[in-house]
Amino acid sequence: KAGVTQTPRYLIKTRGQQVTLSCSPISGHRSVSWYQQTPGQGLQFLFEYFSETQRNKGNFPGRFSGRQFSNSRSEMNVSTLELGDSALYLCASSSQAGDEQFFGPGTRLTVL
Amino acid sequence: AQSVSQHNHHVILSEAASLELGCNYSYGGTVNLFWYVQYPGQHLQLLLKYFSGDPLVKGIKGFEAEFIKSKFSFNLRKPSVQWSDTAEYFCAVNPYTGRRALTFGSGTRLQVQP
Repeated sequence: KAGVTQTPRYLIKTRGQQVTLSCSPISGHRSVSWYQQTPGQGLQFLFEYFSETQRNKGNFPGRFSGRQFSNSRSEMNVSTLELGDSALYLCASSSQAGDEQFFGPGTRLTVL
Repeated sequence: AQSVSQHNHHVILSEAASLELGCNYSYGGTVNLFWYVQYPGQHLQLLLKYFSGDPLVKGIKGFEAEFIKSKFSFNLRKPSVQWSDTAEYFCAVNPYTGRRALTFGSGTRLQVQP
C-alpha cells in the first residue's frame, strides 16, 4: 500500500508570496492532518480534515488555510509568506479517530 | 491545553548501552500515546502506541514503553542500542476526544557511537 505522498518536496518563495502544498493520504484514509516542524518550535499541529470538513485547527494565523477534496487529497495554503514560515510541513493520514497517523516525507518551504 | 515534556534533549550512548527516554504529559483525561522516530533524512515513523490494556507496550526494533498513569508518563526503553538507532525520537499525545491532533514533545536527539 502506497504511503502518504506530498508535493512538492522543496519550495523556495519570497516574502509576500503565497504557496500551496499538496498531500495524498494512504488509500482508504479519510483523515488528513497537517503539522509544521521547525527547529525552534518543534512539531506543531496546523489543522485536521475529515470528509472534506475541517474538524480541528491549531494556533496559527488565518494566513494558513487548507481544504480537503472528495478523494481525501488535501491542500494547505499559506498566504503573504513571512520569513518565519520557513519550515518542514508534514501531512499525516489516519483512518480512525485517535488512531496512529502515518506521515509523509514533508515539504520543505524556504522563504527568502 | 495539553502539553508533552521530553526531558532529554540530546543523549549520547555507546552501542550496547541501555536507553530510557522520558516523556510526561499534562492532560487529565484518557489519552492515546505514541512514540515516533525520525531517522536522518527520513520521515516520521511510528515506533509504538498505547491505547489501553497492558501498560507495557512493545514496538518495532526492540523498543518498548511503559505507561504509568499516576505519573502521567510514557517512557521509552531499549535494552541495547545499536548505531542504527541514531535518530530523533518524539513522544506524542492524542486526547481521547475523537480528534486527531497530536501534541508532540520537543524531541530527543539520540546519538549512538560505535
